[in-house]
Amino acid sequence: DTEVTQTPKHLVMGMTNKKSLKCEQHMGHRAMYWYKQKAKKPPELMFVYSYEKLSINESVPSRFSPECPNSSLLNLHLHALQPEDSALYLCASSRRLLGTERSSGANVLTFGAGSRLTVL
Amino acid sequence: SQQGEEDPQALSIQEGENATMNCSYKTSINNLQWYRQNSGRGLVHLILIRSNEREKHSGRLRVTLDTSKKSSSLLITASRAADTASYFCATATSGGYQKVTFGTGTKLQVIP
Repeated sequence: DTEVTQTPKHLVMGMTNKKSLKCEQHMGHRAMYWYKQKAKKPPELMFVYSYEKLSINESVPSRFSPECPNSSLLNLHLHALQPEDSALYLCASSRRLLGTERSSGANVLTFGAGSRLTVL
Repeated sequence: SQQGEEDPQALSIQEGENATMNCSYKTSINNLQWYRQNSGRGLVHLILIRSNEREKHSGRLRVTLDTSKKSSSLLITASRAADTASYFCATATSGGYQKVTFGTGTKLQVIP
């Protein structure tokens, strides 16, 4: 299995809703990432998990709450979002945290297809 | 803020022609990668070139890296309609944790 699976593909939510995005991989990767991508822009890093522990938080507002319940799953809990949070949310994984292995394979991100979020 | 700036922003070519995209970046890197993204989908890794390499090939892809100019180029030869996508360069910074930062992207359209 060489895939990163993201659900749901599309999500529409109001500003008072609580919802979650889910990401799953079974490649044995121990680093997982959330990226946010606005239309016609490059992906921007939000969070990085390494061995189920939060390693990087790129100053993301607390209305986004990541969770890594085990090595295969990564969630992004959403609460009290704003319309400007509407975007494509991409999950990615790598064998290990980038830079912790010499082999080039560890430096490559495998992405899911993304969850398209619309906040009304 | 993104590390890389790409040009052109958009490129339209006929099938069979070659497509060249350029990427410039700002700080020292460990490696540079190119990813492809079909409309509204996830990114797919294409090729990685290390900072001590100057050129790399993979199938119809050729990547060059000039660390003195902090620039890279991606050449797709004999383009196909299926190559239509956005292409992003991504730089991994030197140091303990290599943060991967994406460039602004080039939107390539290959006309059949």
